[in-house]
Parts: sequence; structure tokens; C-alpha cells
Amino acid sequence: NAGVTQTPKFQVLKTGQSMTLQCAQDMNHEYMSWYRQDPGMGLRLIHYSVGAGITDQGEVPNGYNVSRSTTEDFPLRLLSAAPSQTSVYFCASSYGPESPLHFGNGTRLTVT
Amino acid sequence: GENVEQHPSTLSVQEGDSAVIKCTYSDSASNYFPWYKQELGKGPQLIIDIRSNVGKKKDQRIAVTLNKTAKHFSLHITETQPEDSAVYFCAASGAGSTLGRLYFGRGTQLTVWP
Repeated sequence: NAGVTQTPKFQVLKTGQSMTLQCAQDMNHEYMSWYRQDPGMGLRLIHYSVGAGITDQGEVPNGYNVSRSTTEDFPLRLLSAAPSQTSVYFCASSYGPESPLHFGNGTRLTVT
Repeated sequence: GENVEQHPSTLSVQEGDSAVIKCTYSDSASNYFPWYKQELGKGPQLIIDIRSNVGKKKDQRIAVTLNKTAKHFSLHITETQPEDSAVYFCAASGAGSTLGRLYFGRGTQLTVWP
């Protein structure tokens, strides 16, 4: 099993550009989520989904969109990149609401 | 929502010594408390978790304790080894309208010196 796969691993954007961070899992997990990790700030939840067709906002949702058309995929869209979105982004999945999270290896995004 | 505080932010120990990381949480309805280890360049990985109906859990050199009354939980690593060096995160589950969320502490950078 591949687990949680994130692409790309690295990305550089100019301010105002848009892009989509991809996330796929092959564990048939219902719950998927996106976190951003910044130095000294821990992991902050951006958006999450409890199943296909259902998404909800986390702590820091502004500037990001998500959709969940299939159980396997949960892409994160940056609408108009800003330098404040420079961060490492992690996608995670779990079987249920109080189950272990499985993380991908992250996407390091730099916005200039 | 839930607020998780984690201390210390950095911890240095000699190989063979014990390491303790402490976390507090704010929502008494939280039921699930996992701990994650993150090595450089990788995503966090679960190392141990505990649920609210259990006071202590142990897995080889790693143990976690939970005090629901005081709303705090701790990670204990005994006989530390250089490969234990990493960033450790505690987390607490949401409840009610925030069920499905995990709230993370800010992390502890553990360094084990040989």
C-alpha cells in the first residue's frame, strides 16, 4: 500500500498564481484533512472532510478551497497565492473521527 | 474549539536518560489523545495514543499518562537513544460540533546526545 501520497514535493509560486496540491490515499479512509506547518506553530488544520461530498473548514481556511468528489482524493486549491501561504502542507487520512491519522510526506510551498 | 498547550518546546537529554513532554487541553469532552513523531523531511507518524477511559498506556520504551480531571497528558520516553531525536507533537480530538478534528500542540524538538 502507498498510504497517503502528496504531489508535488516542492513548488515555487509567484504572488497571485493559483495551483492545486494533490492528495490521494489507498486505505479507503473516510476522513481526510489538510494541515499547514509553520515554525513554532505546530500543525494547523486548513480544511477537512468526513466523507465524499462533505467538506468543512478548519482553523485557517482563508485563501484555500477543497472538494471531495471521491473517497480517495482530496485536492487543496490555492486561489491566489500570497507570501503568507509559504509553508509545508500535509495531507492526512483516518478511518474515523478518533482514529490514528496517517500523514503524507508533505509539500513544501514557497510564494515569492 | 479545543486548545492544546505543549511544553517544553525544546528538550536535550543524554543517551540513556528519560525524556518527558507534557500537554494540557481545554475541552473536557475530548476523548482521544495521540502522540506523533516527525523526523526531518517527513510527515508525522503516530507513536502511541490513549483514550479517555484509560489512565496509562505503555509500548516498550514509550508510555503515555492521562489525567482527565486536570486535563493534562504526558509522553515518557525511557532509555533514550539518538534515533529518538525528532519533533514530537501531542494532539487532542474535537468533540460535538468539532468531532473529526485533531488539535495539535506546537511541538517539542527532542535531541538525544550520544
